[in-house]
Amino acid sequence: GAVVSQHPSWVICKSGTSVKIECRSLDFQATTMFWYRQFPKQSLMLMATSNEGSKATYEQGVEKDKFLINHASLTLSTLTVTSAHPEDSSFYICSARDMGLVGETQYFGPGTRLLVL
Amino acid sequence: RKEVEQDPGPFNVPEGATVAFNCTYSNSASQSFFWYRQDCRKEPKLLMSVYSSGNEDGRFTAQLNRASQYISLLIRDSKLSDSATYLCVVNWLRTDKLIFGTGTRLQVFP
Repeated sequence: GAVVSQHPSWVICKSGTSVKIECRSLDFQATTMFWYRQFPKQSLMLMATSNEGSKATYEQGVEKDKFLINHASLTLSTLTVTSAHPEDSSFYICSARDMGLVGETQYFGPGTRLLVL
Repeated sequence: RKEVEQDPGPFNVPEGATVAFNCTYSNSASQSFFWYRQDCRKEPKLLMSVYSSGNEDGRFTAQLNRASQYISLLIRDSKLSDSATYLCVVNWLRTDKLIFGTGTRLQVFP
């Protein structure tokens, strides 16, 4: 099946720094990618929909100025957590939509664990 | 009320057992339904889509009841490797959004 990669797989940073997470579709082009966040023992929560060449669409309660999304190419979307704080510590997962011949499928990246000290 | 509700479990079953998970969703405009599997500290992986007529994939059977807004997953002949969290996922009509339940944890023991 299709492959989506994320980098880095985990990061530890000090409070106040910014962290960039990359999401790449490796063998298909994705005009749409999604960013999720998962806290321990909770479900994945959609943060935003990233559209290639246009602004991201953020879910209610997600600050667009804090979570900057850039989808500059058909295979890459980035999420930057600006001025990270301990409450931003979470598991961040991206997915990419493949409009393939067998129909639309979302493939998930392996996730990025962020720990803010 | 949560958009997608699942019993968190855990369900502890012996190898070879049959186990069933249920899920209810609140938005009647939901159009697509899925079961994902998530292993500890990993990303979710699609287990199977759920169709109105019900569908089977090996030891796994999924059912959908639109009138009751209810989805189920049946696992027969459980294996140790089935131990994971099973996520019920719903896609709303005319949106790209996947709405995830909190998951049901399954632990299969020898």
